Amino acid sequence: VLLVQSGAEVKKPGASVKVSCKASGYGFTFYHLHWVRQAPGQGLEWMGLIIPRDGSTSYAQRFQGRVTMTSDTSTSTSYMELRSLTSEDTAVYYCARGDYYDSRGYAFDMWGQGTLVIVSS
Amino acid sequence: SSELTQDPAVSVALGQTVRITCQGDSLRTYYANWYQQKPGQAPVLVIYGQNNRPSGIPDRFSGSGSGNTASLTITGAQAEDEADYYCNSRDNSGTFRVVFGGGTKLTVL
Repeated sequence: VLLVQSGAEVKKPGASVKVSCKASGYGFTFYHLHWVRQAPGQGLEWMGLIIPRDGSTSYAQRFQGRVTMTSDTSTSTSYMELRSLTSEDTAVYYCARGDYYDSRGYAFDMWGQGTLVIVSS
Repeated sequence: SSELTQDPAVSVALGQTVRITCQGDSLRTYYANWYQQKPGQAPVLVIYGQNNRPSGIPDRFSGSGSGNTASLTITGAQAEDEADYYCNSRDNSGTFRVVFGGGTKLTVL
């Protein structure tokens, strides 16, 4: 069971970045797929999720209008595109599998290895 | 509310017991989960729900919770437990969102 992300990216301010996350070893459409980022020296920040089964999404307020999450069930791959990049978007971006374990419980039980995105002029 | 609060740093002597706490309104509705992150690595789930450990997580890790507070306890801390620990839960704002605590850096002395 694995989530494998695309490689590091260097982007200029104002550009967009698209990070991929390929799942293997489990039923891709049976779980949610989340994106979490971590700026240098900072904590984890949830960006949003996609439900691969139907493509529905939910985004954190601060990324609304600037992020798009998609999935391709034929290749078990999810994508996160972030637009209008600034230096504050420099971070490691993780994908993570989300699963219910209880009516009150939901956890990220598997994580990708992370993708470093550097935004610099 | 959509915030979870953790102490920024905690230390523990080798072999002793340490508790890391997480507070937030969402914990009145949803269970907390705990993740361990070592430098340069992706987070790893160590406790989910009231007190559940994924396969491979040592039994010195345990969890508990009451009201708006959840706790991660390490009984007999080892040098390899030195890491950042994050709590998270679903947000109770109505839509499906997730929130993380700010993280606690654990130092094993």
